[in-house]
Parts: sequence; structure tokens; C-alpha cells
Amino acid sequence: NAGVTQTPKFRILKIGQSMTLQCAQDMNHNYMYWYRQDPGMGLKLIYYSVGAGITDKGEVPNGYNVSRSTTEDFPLRLELAAPSQTSVYFCASSFLESRGGSGANVLTFGAGSRLTVL
Amino acid sequence: QKEVEQDPGPLSVPEGAIVSLNCTYSNSAFQYFMWYRQYSRKGPELLMYTYSSGNKEDGRFTAQVDKSSKYISLFIRDSQPSDSATYLCAMRAGGYQKVTFGTGTKLQVIP
Repeated sequence: NAGVTQTPKFRILKIGQSMTLQCAQDMNHNYMYWYRQDPGMGLKLIYYSVGAGITDKGEVPNGYNVSRSTTEDFPLRLELAAPSQTSVYFCASSFLESRGGSGANVLTFGAGSRLTVL
Repeated sequence: QKEVEQDPGPLSVPEGAIVSLNCTYSNSAFQYFMWYRQYSRKGPELLMYTYSSGNKEDGRFTAQVDKSSKYISLFIRDSQPSDSATYLCAMRAGGYQKVTFGTGTKLQVIP
């Protein structure tokens, strides 16, 4: 049981380049999330998804796009990378609330993807 | 005003000390309160969660929620060097899955 798998772990981009951060979970979780974590700033929600085909913006969606074609995968696309997107990106997943109160509160995080834009 | 406020620390304590970590919040709709622990260069992992007000104990860890004051706490008894990590409070309203995190408090337990 791998949990939440993120790739790549590290990446350096030049300004204006594009890339996709991959996220896959094998727990059959309905909800998936993308957060970014900047030093001293905590976790900021970029996008989230309540199920395949359904996505919604979080607090800081500008410069990013997502898609959710399957329950397992939730890739994050960076278009025209900017230095302000230098950060550590975390993907997470959780149960749908109706499946159990405690499960709905448990976000399982991936190990993170460290992105630098130069 | 941020929805969730948390002192970033760092907080440095000797081994065996009692540690108190705190968060305040402004959104009265928050009902679920969580504490995540994050080791360096790792993803956060859930430590404890509580629903509404009250206390919850799990081994050396105790979580407290005071909704009237919009204040939550995590106490660590007999702190160990292995407790050295960043602790993030998190919370959400009922019926929604969007979780709002605090900025995290970095804790160092010195042997």
C-alpha cells in the first residue's frame, strides 16, 4: 500500500517553462488536494477535487491547472513558470465524509515535490 | 486577519519538558480541529483530531479545544528528541472538506 505518491521529488525550471507534477493515490479516496508550502507560510490550498471529473479552486490557484480523470490521479500543471512558484508542493487525499467521521478528517500527504524556478 | 493564527516559533525545550502549542482562529464555523506533525523534508502526518470543544488524550499528547475563545492547544508531556518537528494546527467547518492550516510551530527538544 503506497499511499500518496508524488513525482518528481525535485525539479528546477526556467522562467516560462511548463511542467506537470504527478500525484497518485491507491486508497480509493474521493477527495484529493494540492497544497504549496513556503517557509513560514504554512500550507496554502491550490486546488482540490471531490471526485473524478470535479475540481475547484483553493486559496492560490493562479498559474496552476488541474484535472481529475480518474479517482487515483490528480496532476497539477504549471504553465509559464515564475519565480513566485518556487515552493514545496504537497498532494493529499482523504475519505468522503459519509464514509466515517474520523476518516474524513485524515489527510494523507505525499512526500512532496520541491520545485525551483530560476 | 488570517483565519488561523499560529506562533511559528522556533520553540526549544529540554528533554522531559511539557510543551504547549497553540492556535487561535476567527471562523466560528470550524468544528473539526486537527494537529499534524511534519518532520523535516517530509509530508505532514495526522497526530490527533477533535470534534467541537473538549479534550482528547493519546499517550503523551493531549489536544484541547475551547470554541468560546476560538483557541486550540496541543500538550506534549515528557517531550522526547524524537518529538522535534513542525506542528501544524488545522481545522475545517462541518460538511466541507477544505482544511485550513496554521503556519506551523517548529519544536526542538534538546537531549
